[in-house]
Amino acid sequence: NAGVTQTPKFRVLKTGQSMTLLCAQDMNHEYMYWYRQDPGMGLRLIHYSVGEGTTAKGEVPDGYNVSRLKKQNFLLGLESAAPSQTSVYFCASRGAAGELFFGEGSRLTVL
Amino acid sequence: QQQVKQSPQSLIVQKGGISIINCAYENTAFDYFPWYQQFPGKGPALLIAIRPDVSEKKEGRFTISFNKSAKQFSLHIMDSQPGDSATYFCAAVNTGTASKLTFGTGTRLQVTL
Repeated sequence: NAGVTQTPKFRVLKTGQSMTLLCAQDMNHEYMYWYRQDPGMGLRLIHYSVGEGTTAKGEVPDGYNVSRLKKQNFLLGLESAAPSQTSVYFCASRGAAGELFFGEGSRLTVL
Repeated sequence: QQQVKQSPQSLIVQKGGISIINCAYENTAFDYFPWYQQFPGKGPALLIAIRPDVSEKKEGRFTISFNKSAKQFSLHIMDSQPGDSATYFCAAVNTGTASKLTFGTGTRLQVTL
């Protein structure tokens, strides 16, 4: 029972490069979320999805795109990475009681 | 706009003491208030949560106190232990709106021997 799994766990990019973060959950949850965590700023919502094939913008969506082609997967893409996107990214899915289950994070550095 | 304000930013407590972290919210539509615990290098994990129809919820050494009229809630950790050293986040959500949690900025707790 893996819960929420994020890959990769670490990545270093150069400015302008693109990449995709993958989130997979095995709990059959409908709702999934991508957050970024920065020192002193808590967790901020980037994008979320209420079901397969649907996505919506969160609090800080600029520079990111997402896709939810399969219920268990939620992908976060950076088309042209910028140093301001250096952060720790967390994926989460929502349980029946409203609680969020988080992955262990993906640490991204943009040089 | 910071809808959930959390304080203090950091906290040092001696082993056996009481740790208290406070949060205040603005949106009266929030109806679920969880606390998350995060250890270094790990994702946040749900610790305890409360709904506004009760004023207090206790689970072991962890208690949430909720004041609906003041729009404030707090986490109390009794008999704090070194293993409680972590970052704690309060959050709030309107469960009728895709459950988009709004998080506080976090409190780094250190419990000393």
